[in-house]
Amino acid sequence: GDSVTQMEGPVTLSEEAFLTINCTYTATGYPSLFWYVQYPGEGLQLLLKATKADDKGSNKGFEATYRKETTSFHLEKGSVQVSDSAVYFCALSDQGGYQKVTFGTGTKLQVIP
Amino acid sequence: SAVISQKPSRDICQRGTSLTIQCQVDSQVTMMFWYRQQPGQSLTLIATANQGSEATYESGFVIDKFPISRPNLTFSTLTVSNMSPEDSSIYLCSVEDSRDEQYFGPGTRLTVT
Repeated sequence: GDSVTQMEGPVTLSEEAFLTINCTYTATGYPSLFWYVQYPGEGLQLLLKATKADDKGSNKGFEATYRKETTSFHLEKGSVQVSDSAVYFCALSDQGGYQKVTFGTGTKLQVIP
Repeated sequence: SAVISQKPSRDICQRGTSLTIQCQVDSQVTMMFWYRQQPGQSLTLIATANQGSEATYESGFVIDKFPISRPNLTFSTLTVSNMSPEDSSIYLCSVEDSRDEQYFGPGTRLTVT
């Protein structure tokens, strides 16, 4: 079945540091890939997505590129802020049938001033 | 994007009782999803609810434990029946829009004592 593996957290970075959160996936077919973010005390929000190979999703300075050859969708940001502290979930949606979303385990990011 | 509300936002319940969680969406949607997020873990899909038909449950979840209603295109309920401490989780509903993006409600934080 489908699965998503993302790097263990927590990740602690200083403000303005470069961020990478690794995510790899296993799926049949050609899934859509997503990053969701959960800020403290809030619900899950879609951060960015990519629907086909080599697509780059971007939002709020975050980027991720759909790499079919390595089955990866790593999240990056050039300069993190304290306000980026949250839990980040990598996810995929199999494009066959209804859009069931499979989530990774989440990576907690803490940015310190 | 869809705006989703859930009631209650949190509850503390006694073992053996049942709780019904409501999910309201501000627009008509075909499919609604119910997820569980256990403490420190990722999201797990419980079931998919289409209006006018029986909900489809994922492996490990059964209708007797998690009955779902979907009376119209903007509303659904999930009941957690005969609760035990292992049911302590955040329960989230989500909907999918025409761009195949899922939007999540704020969640219901359930504690079973």
